[in-house]
Amino acid sequence: DIVMTQAPLSVSVTPGESASISCRSSKSLLHSNGITYVYWYLQKPGKSPQLLIYRMSNLASGVPDRFSGSGSETDFTLKISRVEAEDVGIYYCGQLLENPLTFGSGTKLEIK
Amino acid sequence: EVQLVETGGGLVQPGKSLKLTCATSGFTFSTAWMHWVRQSPEKRLEWIARIKDKSNNYATDYVESVKGRFTISRDDSKSSVYLQMNSLKEEDTATYYCTTFDFWGPGTMVTVSS
Repeated sequence: DIVMTQAPLSVSVTPGESASISCRSSKSLLHSNGITYVYWYLQKPGKSPQLLIYRMSNLASGVPDRFSGSGSETDFTLKISRVEAEDVGIYYCGQLLENPLTFGSGTKLEIK
Repeated sequence: EVQLVETGGGLVQPGKSLKLTCATSGFTFSTAWMHWVRQSPEKRLEWIARIKDKSNNYATDYVESVKGRFTISRDDSKSSVYLQMNSLKEEDTATYYCTTFDFWGPGTMVTVSS
């Protein structure tokens, strides 16, 4: 199984500042079709996960462009620019390359 | 508007069965690959099952920990996907989500306890 390792476990950010969350996969997530199958989700308190970034760097519909995704075949970063209070929650990376699909353990973002 | 709504969760004793239903609307269900993902009380996300569409022969796949106990199925005429859970264990306690990975339902909680 592909292991997804996230860091840090939690991050505390002042509103208006930036935050970065890292995710590393135990295997390349680059498919032969050229697509890298890493996804990012935010789970706000009491809600279900919502899609932020798909295929490593594509912004999901309705997601503010303060969010961006980047990376290589095994190392990925979610960056949140100008953090706002509504960004609090748990961020998860996930790989959709092969079954069993797997997720990172999550990064909790709090506001200072 | 895309909607996915899970029902059927509850408190069940170890060894018993439960069937979850996910009713959907707002997208072309018949061509969607549908998944069940669960979240433990510790907030860990675990993919547990997937069913493909008719053109892919409704192929199914499961995480090892539920193989032989859980069965995913779908009814395209009702835009619904199901999860039959048998021989439930305490470690199956979780919130169960139906998802396309673009969209997620609000989840239904399953508690396995004597």
